[in-house]
Amino acid sequence: SQQGEEDPQALSIQEGENATMNCSYKTSINNLQWYRQNSGRGLVHLILIRSNEREKHSGRLRVTLDTSKKSSSLLITASRAADTASYFCATGAGNMLTFGGGTRLMVKP
Amino acid sequence: DAGVIQSPRHEVTEMGQEVTLRCKPISGHNSLFWYRQTMMRGLELLIYFNNNVPIDDSGMPEDRFSAKMPNASFSTLKIQPSEPRDSAVYFCASSGGTGTWAEAFFGQGTRLTVV
Repeated sequence: SQQGEEDPQALSIQEGENATMNCSYKTSINNLQWYRQNSGRGLVHLILIRSNEREKHSGRLRVTLDTSKKSSSLLITASRAADTASYFCATGAGNMLTFGGGTRLMVKP
Repeated sequence: DAGVIQSPRHEVTEMGQEVTLRCKPISGHNSLFWYRQTMMRGLELLIYFNNNVPIDDSGMPEDRFSAKMPNASFSTLKIQPSEPRDSAVYFCASSGGTGTWAEAFFGQGTRLTVV
């Protein structure tokens, strides 16, 4: 079963705009991770935020975590056409790393 | 390191046949995951190994599925007999941490089609 649910399921923006994707989950977690998947490829890890952290940055990526609301957001600033991909949140709890359904992002040049 | 290596990349088989998917994790990683991805169900965790020992196989759909990790550098996922509903992309991932505390590195996946 899926632990995380991403919102929106699909997002289309122009190059240069910011993209925000949200993830909600149901149970207690150790950490939350974001991954990216290009069409036909495996997933690539982007960033990990621990349950005691509230915000984390990596380059053009900004992740927030609100454990009281059981939600996280991924912000990609100044998007590029190469950012077009599916983005997944994954929640880590115990031995399980469980993925949500993903957000399909399209960045138009 | 070449990353996580899966074989074959594509597999087409007839219903009822045995299918074996293979995975070579990144050297030194002690955690290995098998996932299945479909449009309908998304990414599902099938089984998790730590130090070659199956820790959680609650995601294995039924007895037709089995997974082994005879050593730290090799794992297999077997489906016998295969059914059309098993058609999916199967991913193997490895991690250098314990369980879910570290990032997972994914292979390119095996696209399985059962006709």
